[in-house]
Amino acid sequence: NAGVTQTPKFRVLKTGQSMTLLCAQDMNHEYMYWYRQDPGMGLRLIHYSVGEGTTAKGEVPDGYNVSRLKKQNFLLGLESAAPSQTSVYFCASSYVTQETQYFGPGTRLLVL
Amino acid sequence: KQEVTQIPAALSVPEGENLVLNCSFTDSAIYNLQWFRQDPGKGLTSLLLIQSSQREQTSGRLNASLDKSSGRSTLYIAASQPGDSATYLCAVLSGNTGKLIFGQGTTLQVKP
Repeated sequence: NAGVTQTPKFRVLKTGQSMTLLCAQDMNHEYMYWYRQDPGMGLRLIHYSVGEGTTAKGEVPDGYNVSRLKKQNFLLGLESAAPSQTSVYFCASSYVTQETQYFGPGTRLLVL
Repeated sequence: KQEVTQIPAALSVPEGENLVLNCSFTDSAIYNLQWFRQDPGKGLTSLLLIQSSQREQTSGRLNASLDKSSGRSTLYIAASQPGDSATYLCAVLSGNTGKLIFGQGTTLQVKP
């Protein structure tokens, strides 16, 4: 039981490049979330999903897109990376909204 | 808009001390409150979850309390150990979509 895994662990991008961050969970959770963590800003929700095939905007969705084609996977895409998207990205999942969210180890992204 | 504040931002104590971490929130209409631990360069680990109808939760040396009317929660750590050194994050669930609002965290250092 791996829990929540994230790929890649670290990535360097140039401004304007695109990439996809992959989150996978093996706990059969319905809900999945993408957060970003920045110094002085704390953790902020980017997008979330309440089930396979659904996505919704969080607090800071601009510049990101997401997809949930399979229940166990939640993808976060950056179409045209900007230096302001340099951050640590965390994925989380939960069975229902009022239960504990389980977090992945994070992806460190540096945009030059 | 829900806002979560944690004071102090950093705390250093000698091993063996009992300590209290504080969390306050501006809107008392919450579903639950969660305490997480984050080690440097790692993801978040859930410590305790208190539902809105509960007053406290305990796990080992940890005890978390919730006072919705005053918008406060405390995390009590008994007999602190160097292994407790980490950043402790408080988060509230205000809506039914699983969106957590995080505080900035308290970084704890327990000196041997």
